[in-house]
Amino acid sequence: DVKVTQSSRYLVKRTGEKVFLECVQDMDHENMFWYRQDPGLGLRLIYFSYDVKMKEKGDIPEGYSVSREKKERFSLILESASTNQTSMYLCASSPTSGSQETQYFGPGTRLLVL
Amino acid sequence: GQNIDQPTEMTATEGAIVQINCTYQTSGFNGLFWYQQHAGEAPTFLSYNVLDGLEEKGRFSSFLSRSKGYSYLLLKELQMKDSASYLCAVRLHGSGNTGKLIFGQGTTLQVKP
Repeated sequence: DVKVTQSSRYLVKRTGEKVFLECVQDMDHENMFWYRQDPGLGLRLIYFSYDVKMKEKGDIPEGYSVSREKKERFSLILESASTNQTSMYLCASSPTSGSQETQYFGPGTRLLVL
Repeated sequence: GQNIDQPTEMTATEGAIVQINCTYQTSGFNGLFWYQQHAGEAPTFLSYNVLDGLEEKGRFSSFLSRSKGYSYLLLKELQMKDSASYLCAVRLHGSGNTGKLIFGQGTTLQVKP
């Protein structure tokens, strides 16, 4: 079974804090993704990576950065957390080969910024 | 721009059939996915369509019409455990064959006894 894990299920931070969200996958997938999910807006792509040290902006990258130093790990960084970054954050991974390959999601991190 | 539309909420009765529609307007198309997401959990894969027609998988079927930018997910013999959100997602061509997905806002289905 593909397993995608995220470092925390729930996180409470204060405005201005630096926040790290970690994601690890155990299936040697090339691609990894960070989304946020908000009511009425669905999942929106923040950043993705198709190889180690490679990253590309998604649809809403402002206020976020990412790091992929190892193939299995993809980190999302909030440099200075703000209240509008309160959300559910979902990490996903997928292999490159195979057109039918879906993305596999982690359990999510619910972040509250006070 | 990219746009994917689904109804926000639907209600159906246990044992019945329900159809959840998804329309899309995207720059490029490389397949359409349906995911199920129970409250507080991760989305899980249900189905994939890249060619026109119907794909059947047990109680779930998914249909695609690329010319109409339209898909639906059909759930038969509804069970209480089918109460969840259903997410429609279109895959675009992307860098390094990443398979970037654009998601609709999701349809929350409530199954009643």
